[in-house]
Amino acid sequence: KNEVEQSPQNLTAQEGEFITINCSYSVGISALHWLQQHPGGGIVSLFMLSSGKKKHGRLIATINIQEKHSSLHITASHPRDSAVYICAVYNNDMRFGAGTRLTVKP
Amino acid sequence: EPEVTQTPSHQVTQMGQEVILRCVPISNHLYFYWYRQILGQKVEFLVSFYNNEISEKSEIFDDQFSVERPDGSNFTLKIRSTKLEDSAMYFCASSVDRASGYTFGSGTRLTVV
Repeated sequence: KNEVEQSPQNLTAQEGEFITINCSYSVGISALHWLQQHPGGGIVSLFMLSSGKKKHGRLIATINIQEKHSSLHITASHPRDSAVYICAVYNNDMRFGAGTRLTVKP
Repeated sequence: EPEVTQTPSHQVTQMGQEVILRCVPISNHLYFYWYRQILGQKVEFLVSFYNNEISEKSEIFDDQFSVERPDGSNFTLKIRSTKLEDSAMYFCASSVDRASGYTFGSGTRLTVV
């Protein structure tokens, strides 16, 4: 079993929809990262969380340490949000999920 | 906005050759990392580096790999004798400290032929 599981693997949405991507992990962590990987391959760090909730623009990330679960929400989605979203957990090293490929159609 | 710079963007090398991938982290960052992503697979941690030494490394980071900070700005990953399976995108990242977010470079695509 993978230490970091993301769902769904693929997600297609219409512009304007509210999107949720989930991440569950099975190991103890000190922090969880949400990353965005663009079609060209570049990676951008969106959030680093160790508890609670963070918001940046239309993006919201939450984490429940007891349940070992995190969610990434995108409000009012836009085609430019199309990317692969990756959850990664950190303890002594970083373990990555396989990513969720999001396509937002106009 | 400050960025992490990686060179080259694409490197093709013959199997058995040594390659050095270069990274210039953000100047006030103290922690440095290398990751790789084989095409179609997930990102994998290779190594983290702090205070001029390796702080953590994964099982992938065997004796064929080494890292160095030869001066105050560069952070390099060397693969001593490349294998076909080393073909991947290699990402460098840096952070101010362990509690801060990471900034990633745009990656070096290594192709071993």
